[in-house]
Amino acid sequence: DAGITQSPRHKVTETGTPVTLRCHQTENHRYMYWYRQDPGHGLRLIHYSYGVKDTDKGEVSDGYSVSRSKTEDFLLTLESATSSQTSVYFCATRTSGSTDTQYFGPGTRLTVL
Amino acid sequence: GESVGLHLPTLSVQEGDNSIINCAYSNSASDYFIWYKQESGKGPQFIIDIRSNMDKRQGQRVTVLLNKTVKHLSLQIAATQPGDSAVYFCAVDSGGSNYKLTFGKGTLLTVNP
Repeated sequence: DAGITQSPRHKVTETGTPVTLRCHQTENHRYMYWYRQDPGHGLRLIHYSYGVKDTDKGEVSDGYSVSRSKTEDFLLTLESATSSQTSVYFCATRTSGSTDTQYFGPGTRLTVL
Repeated sequence: GESVGLHLPTLSVQEGDNSIINCAYSNSASDYFIWYKQESGKGPQFIIDIRSNMDKRQGQRVTVLLNKTVKHLSLQIAATQPGDSAVYFCAVDSGGSNYKLTFGKGTLLTVNP
């Protein structure tokens, strides 16, 4: 698991409330990624980070923001949660080596009522 | 951009048989390919990878074959065991910046005793 933890592991919230998910890694990996996984869609990239304070959008970034103030933590925020953001969220990390791959955390199941 | 597809959403095999899971990609510039295994309630787990300068790579009971001519890769699992039951994803790195991956939707492998 490349020392990746995600918190919380499960969360139920109401429409319109802000939600922050945390990804923490102990491997000092440069790259970090947030994905969502939904039936019929597979894993889709929301945002990613290529260094502290360096982030960029993925293919499904609308309604999400991220922050990375230190190497080990990558936060995903839903400013105003909607039911369409009910999903399982995975964080992944990667070193900067050209021969490495992405390693995933255990996931956070988010339900927006 | 890249699109990644799988030929079969589900595959059922008998214990001890060999399993073959297929994946197709669209971008001929893609240069790195990974297979992940995802068990129920867990994050994707790296199985094996292959780079575009190779046609075949073997691991423990698993082999990945890459056919760049038809943009196809496959995962072969030898002597499939009940513990192999999971969803298998292929992921493709098209060689752009920041090592972003495009994922297929996954094949659910069920191993019958």
